[in-house]
Amino acid sequence: DTAVSQTPKYLVTQMGNDKSIKCEQNLGHDTMYWYKQDSKKFLKIMFSYNNKELIINETVPNRFSPKSPDKAHLNLHINSLELGDSAVYFCASSQEGRPSDTQYFGPGTRLTVL
Amino acid sequence: DQQVKQNSPSLSVQEGRISILNCDYTNSMFDYFLWYKKYPAEGPTFLISISSIKDKNEDGRFTVFLNKSAKHLSLHIVPSQPGDSAVYFCAASALQGAQKLVFGQGTRLTINP
Repeated sequence: DTAVSQTPKYLVTQMGNDKSIKCEQNLGHDTMYWYKQDSKKFLKIMFSYNNKELIINETVPNRFSPKSPDKAHLNLHINSLELGDSAVYFCASSQEGRPSDTQYFGPGTRLTVL
Repeated sequence: DQQVKQNSPSLSVQEGRISILNCDYTNSMFDYFLWYKKYPAEGPTFLISISSIKDKNEDGRFTVFLNKSAKHLSLHIVPSQPGDSAVYFCAASALQGAQKLVFGQGTRLTINP
């Protein structure tokens, strides 16, 4: 029974396309996040949502649009994909979004833009 | 400008010995620190944390040490076991405000039998 799940696990697409990555958590948490792990292996936060409300937006290009239909889901839609968007994207959740709350991560989605 | 750095990309340790992973940070506003462990094709999982009011936190074989004056923390694993082979990420945040973890780039630990 996966706590935080992401689909798809792998995504290969052409430059200029639009794609979405879905994330679901069954932990009953209020807060969800998207992280990007780039080629240098740093995990960097992109967005966080608390109960469907945007809390953190880390200077991410507006081609990236998170959507939270309910507090168990946080999807990431990317328009006009660029080569530099190739990375592993991780979804995570935590109980209330307090700094001391443990974050639980999904398995990641490897996006390759050709 | 990376605020959290792990300067050793990899570390190899004999089974049964101590593994020491290091992490440095630059932002003096950070007052909560965590270590995450990551196996291939999985997401990071929480391992241990420490707040700046302490200088040591222990959980079984894992101990985290914090040196605030040096802006340095380390994770000690003793004794090291083959299942400890993974990538270890250090992360930091400020307890005030929204939860925003800043991660290092990870250290790949290999435990040799």
